[in-house]
Amino acid sequence: EVQLLESGGGLVQPGGSLRLSCAASGFTFTSYAMSWVRQAPGKGLEWVSAISGSDGSTYYADSVKGRFTISRDNSKNTLYVQMNSLRAEDTAVYYCAKHIGLIWSRGYYFDYWGQGTLVTVSS
Amino acid sequence: QSVLTQPPSASGTPGQRVTISCSGSSSNIGGNTVNWYQQLPGTAPKLLIYSNNQRPSGVPDRFSGSKSGTSASLAISGLQSEDEADYYCAAWDDSLNAWVFGGGTKLTVL
Repeated sequence: EVQLLESGGGLVQPGGSLRLSCAASGFTFTSYAMSWVRQAPGKGLEWVSAISGSDGSTYYADSVKGRFTISRDNSKNTLYVQMNSLRAEDTAVYYCAKHIGLIWSRGYYFDYWGQGTLVTVSS
Repeated sequence: QSVLTQPPSASGTPGQRVTISCSGSSSNIGGNTVNWYQQLPGTAPKLLIYSNNQRPSGVPDRFSGSKSGTSASLAISGLQSEDEADYYCAAWDDSLNAWVFGGGTKLTVL
């Protein structure tokens, strides 16, 4: 059974930093691209960042480029996102999501999601 | 402002058939397949339909998807109270080189 468990959320001041983790199990972690998708309170879903399962290529939404860094530790089956220079508009539940294949591209949609971790950016 | 456009709400009574639309453009729905996700209250999204009209194992055949041109639809027949949830469409966007979502449709079972 595929399981994705996020952690690391919390309250942080504007300009602060936070690192989220996503522990994966139930599948061969190295064989799949992974993403972070967020959902602001009462809003829809927004893709944030992705990392391929092969060469570790990374991808970012314009809204977080230069501030967020996605990474993965294949030895620990864990996905991370380092979030710096946080803004109020980054307040959201952050989900990690598994793609159906190795790369991040058309056709490789999200098939499993974690339960999410809440990040609140406020003074 | 979401790239894909969905109605914010939909409703129906038990047993009815309801449809939820998702409108895009040639760079997303027009050239790529559409997926649908169901998000029950307080839970993570769950894959409901992939590749326009395919159901993952375990999804009841009451749920069906279709696509025509730059629009897609999710149909739910024999509506049940447990179908009350938010529904999101998603597609790859060739211009953005990213997955994009609709704003979500809140389905209420009256």
